[in-house]
Amino acid sequence: KAGVTQTPRYLIKTRGQQVTLSCSPISGHRSVSWYQQTPGQGLQFLFEYFSETQRNKGNFPGRFSGRQFSNSRSEMNVSTLELGDSALYLCASMGRMLAEVGGELFFGEGSRLTVL
Amino acid sequence: AQKITQTQPGMFVQEKEAVTLDCTYDTSDQSYGLFWYKQPSSGEMIFLIYQGSYDEQNATEGRYSLNFQKARKSANLVISASQLGDSAMYFCAMREGYDYKLSFGAGTTVTVRA
Repeated sequence: KAGVTQTPRYLIKTRGQQVTLSCSPISGHRSVSWYQQTPGQGLQFLFEYFSETQRNKGNFPGRFSGRQFSNSRSEMNVSTLELGDSALYLCASMGRMLAEVGGELFFGEGSRLTVL
Repeated sequence: AQKITQTQPGMFVQEKEAVTLDCTYDTSDQSYGLFWYKQPSSGEMIFLIYQGSYDEQNATEGRYSLNFQKARKSANLVISASQLGDSAMYFCAMREGYDYKLSFGAGTTVTVRA
């Protein structure tokens, strides 16, 4: 069974540009969530989607947005990039509809964004 | 306040020995779940073990076991018989109630020496 696939794996952008990251969840998984990982702030929750609906959002500015398609694939977009947006962006999928406490997340390898 | 606290930034362990990674958590929810993930240098987060707040027995998965002390709000991970491939960053995480997000600790880097 294929795991969570994230593209691109690495990218370099300059300040002010925008970026779109893609995530394909495990087949059959309908919940997709995104996390940002930085050395200073650690792992922080961005948002979660289920059946094309955003169910939960973390404390990030409006420059961070996402969406989910009918095939459960998800994209996140960051507009007007800042140096502080340099991070590893991790996508995770979950096989359960509800966030039951036992529902583990399956993560991809991440997209490493560098903003110059 | 931090929901998950991992006080050990880095640890060295000899191959074949056991290592305990500390994790304390803070929640007012009665229903919550505790997770441990491993992150090798490739970046992928690998699920290791889960403990539910209502589980009476400590969780075990192969060489991983979770020492769950509810009254002390601690969920320490024990890795037995360490292998070189265990060298990685380890994160403790918690989901509270039916919230969809995981709150992660700062992580502990484990280096296994031959």
